[in-house]
Amino acid sequence: DIQMTQSPSSLSASVGDRVTITCRASQGISTWLAWYQQKPEKAPKSLIYDASSLQSGVPSRFSGSGSGTDFTLTISSLQPEDFATYYCQQYHSYPLTFGGGTKVEIK
Amino acid sequence: QVQLQESGPGLVKPSETLSLTCSVSGGSVSNYFWSWVRQPPGKGLEWIGFIYYTGSTNYNPSLKSRVTMSVDTSKNQFSLRLASVTAADTALYHCARRHYSSSWHDYWGQGTLVTVSS
Repeated sequence: DIQMTQSPSSLSASVGDRVTITCRASQGISTWLAWYQQKPEKAPKSLIYDASSLQSGVPSRFSGSGSGTDFTLTISSLQPEDFATYYCQQYHSYPLTFGGGTKVEIK
Repeated sequence: QVQLQESGPGLVKPSETLSLTCSVSGGSVSNYFWSWVRQPPGKGLEWIGFIYYTGSTNYNPSLKSRVTMSVDTSKNQFSLRLASVTAADTALYHCARRHYSSSWHDYWGQGTLVTVSS
């Protein structure tokens, strides 16, 4: 199985901050990577696919980059509605695997 | 807007079978793959497997011996059965739609909590 490691596991930030979350794969996955946002009691929401493509309807302050084993999700200017937990997922090979999550909290 | 809603018992006894259904609205189960993903309390996401509307499946090897998925196109639903459950199967179970072109998930249900306890 491909292991996905996210860092940090949590972070505190203020509204307006630039936030970067990292996801590392245990082997190369090209750009077969997605990012999701999850809020308590809510369905996860897809943000990014193919490492850098923005899902329809997602604000442009979200962006993704990377290929191979190292990927980042960036929120250019954190908004109040962005406080949530973020997960990466690889779809290079089966079984599909997710990172452990990064919780973004209010400073 | 596609919406997914999980349903099923919230409490299952050890050694019994967990059964969940995902109802799809705002779209058809046809022509898509449909996943189950679970999340133990305080932990990350684990992909259980997916099923195509034709009935073909792909299961996570870690659970394959205990998992059965099925789809009912007439009801626009798909289902999960997980046999011989233990406390380790206690989790929030989500259903999700695999994107038509590759294995990321574009729509998710909010999940249903299943507790395994006697």
